[in-house]
Amino acid sequence: DGGITQSPKYLFRKEGQNVTLSCEQNLNHDAMYWYRQDPGQGLRLIYYSQIVNDFQKGDIAEGYSVSREKKESFPLTVTSAQKNPTAFYLCASSMGRDGNQPQHFGDGTRLSIL
Amino acid sequence: AQKITQTQPGMFVQEKEAVTLDCTYDTSDPSYGLFWYKQPSSGEMIFLIYQGSYDQQNATEGRYSLNFQKARKSANLVISASQLGDSAMYFCAMREDAGGTSYGKLTFGQGTILTVHP
Repeated sequence: DGGITQSPKYLFRKEGQNVTLSCEQNLNHDAMYWYRQDPGQGLRLIYYSQIVNDFQKGDIAEGYSVSREKKESFPLTVTSAQKNPTAFYLCASSMGRDGNQPQHFGDGTRLSIL
Repeated sequence: AQKITQTQPGMFVQEKEAVTLDCTYDTSDPSYGLFWYKQPSSGEMIFLIYQGSYDQQNATEGRYSLNFQKARKSANLVISASQLGDSAMYFCAMREDAGGTSYGKLTFGQGTILTVHP
């Protein structure tokens, strides 16, 4: 089945450590997105990518980094510069600029600080 | 100013009744799209319904319909014949065209928690 796979489901980070969240899609979508969700809140955009080897900062990019070396993959690194990383992270993809195409989401990764 | 406002933190409805979840938006872009997503307690985001700014008719998808009032900048979700499985968080989101440069980015509201009582 086509879809978006995020791993791991749960992740723990030690102080000063970088961690990478995986996001893979087999929907042949051009665009991919990373969102952060804090408890009881809406989603906020971290980074997004329209095509391979290109990505842009979203609203809350500080302390995060991404890469887009393959169309299928859009990993997110939470760096030690992100002082409050505990949150639920959601990856999404879409056909791209076509306005009526919804974003499809993975099941998310819950990141906690040890 | 908030681009997407969902004023109801929580809503309750009796099973088999209809419920309306409110969403207002703010944009000066003439071309935009409005989406509703459902997020169960497990966390995944499920796409429900879409309304384009130029669509003449209100969108419908099964038990979901969108009450789109463009002049009032509102896009309320109506769920008919509520079921226990409808209990979840519901998010309204907007995509602005921004002259074709938005890359499909979405701005989300804060969400409304819907609880369906038997």
